[in-house]
Parts: sequence; C-alpha cells; structure tokens
Amino acid sequence: DGGITQSPKYLFRKEGQNVTLSCEQNLNHDAMYWYRQDPGQGLRLIYYSQIVNDFQKGDIAEGYSVSREKKESFPLTVTSAQKNPTAFYLCATQRSYNEKLFFGSGTQLSVL
Amino acid sequence: GENVEQHPSTLSVQEGDSAVIKCTYSDSASNYFPWYKQELGKRPQLIIDIRSNVGEKKDQRIAVTLNKTAKHFSLHITETQPEDSAVYFCAASNPGSRLTFGEGTQLTVNP
Repeated sequence: DGGITQSPKYLFRKEGQNVTLSCEQNLNHDAMYWYRQDPGQGLRLIYYSQIVNDFQKGDIAEGYSVSREKKESFPLTVTSAQKNPTAFYLCATQRSYNEKLFFGSGTQLSVL
Repeated sequence: GENVEQHPSTLSVQEGDSAVIKCTYSDSASNYFPWYKQELGKRPQLIIDIRSNVGEKKDQRIAVTLNKTAKHFSLHITETQPEDSAVYFCAASNPGSRLTFGEGTQLTVNP
C-alpha cells in the first residue's frame, strides 16, 4: 500500500551481525505490526505496537527487537541471536483493532 | 486467545470452476473476518471482509459467508481464472484484540 514504506527491499546479513529493517507509514494509523513469512508458510507475528512507546511480543519475538518512538515509524532489528533469519519480513499498519490491516511491500532478508 | 484453522492447505481447480476455502475460529467474541490474497513475492492484500452483523457479503465473483453459531466462515470464488492463483489467508478478531490469521490456502487454477 502506498502509505507504508519498507526498506530495503533486499538485505543481506553476515553471521554475528545485527541488521535493522525500516517501516514508515503516513496513514496516521495507531497500530503497527511485524510479520515473518518463510517460503510456502503463513504469517507469523513477531512484535506489534498499538501506541507510541509501547509494544508487545508476538508469537516469535526471540532474536528480534523493536522500538516505537514515533507514530510513523516501527523499525525491526534482527539480532545475532536470531540463528535462522532468512525470511520475507512484512510490516503492517491498522487504524485500530478490529479493522483491516494494510501491508508494506516487504523486505527479503538473507544470510551471507 | 483466538485460534483460526483454515482448510484446505492446497486447492487445485479447473478454470471456470468454483473454489471454496473454509475457516473456523475459537473465540465467540470475534466479530471481524477479513480475507487476504497474496501473490508470489507480493504483499497480502485485502479482497473482502465481513462483520458478524451480516451472514453473507458479495463482491463480483467473490463471496464470504459467516455462520456465527458454528463459528466458521468461508470464501467462495466463482468462475475461477488463472489470475486467481495465489495464497489466501483468513483472519479473525474482536474489538479488544489483534487479528489472528489462518495458515493459508494455496489455490491453483489450471487453464
């Protein structure tokens, strides 16, 4: 969706390195989410945030960290503790609970 | 929390046939049920959604039905076309919770 910008489109991580995926939105949505998608698999929730300066762990938070210092931004850091980070990462926003999710175009992360 | 189960995991149909994907949910308080379509390498996109105050909603060749008593909802695609080939995800939520997704259905429409 045009109001959500994920960058970069492709990212390569060296062993032991932390990398940060960017997600910016201009939709003025309160909630933001990070999902991980492995090939041929479903959407697994990593972290989500309903308001600035607050976020909750999803189903697979280990090895990841987030921050929500601004309403527009919800960056995801893949730490060296995440031993199998290769996946397609999707950011999503939502005006409020119980409404539709809008997804960014995704970042493909691979390990060198 | 909510649990959403989706069936089948793969579905293959001939062009022009109908396709039906079914989901069940566990939380009786859930009242919002969207369906997303994800083409290979792309982002999921909302194709239709329904709220619990209606039993059916249609948009051209796509329809969703909801049975609150049985706690299940279904996606119906009629007159399927090759461009309908994609992964389809159902989801459910209530006013106090985030969306919970099903595992997805890979639909293949054979010409």
